[in-house]
Amino acid sequence: DQQVKQNSPSLSVQEGRISILNCDYTNSMFDYFLWYKKYPAEGPTFLISISSIKDKNEDGRFTVFLNKSAKHLSLHIVPSQPGDSAVYFCAAGKTSYDKVIFGPGTSLSVIP
Amino acid sequence: GAGVSQSPSNKVTEKGKDVELRCDPISGHTALYWYRQSLGQGLEFLIYFQGNSAPDKSGLPSDRFSAERTGGSVSTLTIQRTQQEDSAVYLCASSLVLGRNQPQHFGDGTRLSIL
Repeated sequence: DQQVKQNSPSLSVQEGRISILNCDYTNSMFDYFLWYKKYPAEGPTFLISISSIKDKNEDGRFTVFLNKSAKHLSLHIVPSQPGDSAVYFCAAGKTSYDKVIFGPGTSLSVIP
Repeated sequence: GAGVSQSPSNKVTEKGKDVELRCDPISGHTALYWYRQSLGQGLEFLIYFQGNSAPDKSGLPSDRFSAERTGGSVSTLTIQRTQQEDSAVYLCASSLVLGRNQPQHFGDGTRLSIL
């Protein structure tokens, strides 16, 4: 049973436009969420996180939105750049539990 | 080094052989994690260490898998009697401490291919 879902395996966006990557989770006990970015042949790198006490966190071109009632979060990248082309993993964890559960990833292609 | 280091970067071996994968975490990081990524799949959690202790081994796929960490630093993941389904990229990550809001820093992984 997949606790963290990313239903879009891939996404293509024009350079300069907004990229929206979506993530859904099933476990209401999750209280923090992270996004990682992965280039081929490299390990994932941390991008941005959000705690369940917030509904938005912004860092430069990256903003994460959390809708707890819908058990949904999204990562917005504005403006998208070709260097943003990578696989993006959503991850979720809970304070009392040390594992972080990763989603299957969404491959983003930003077209120049 | 500055980041998490994994070795070897690539390993090709015959079915039935044992393999040992190594992870050198960021200096000072007390928490260490092992994941595997099979072709077209997300990151599958295997095991974590707090210091040298691994409190939960239930994520290991079978009893052919074992992991240890010594001196609170280097960790090895050992797969005995490898099978073709073990082929994957094995990723190691570390964080300063265990717990929430601690981003994990990943190595570049070991690509394991079982012939």
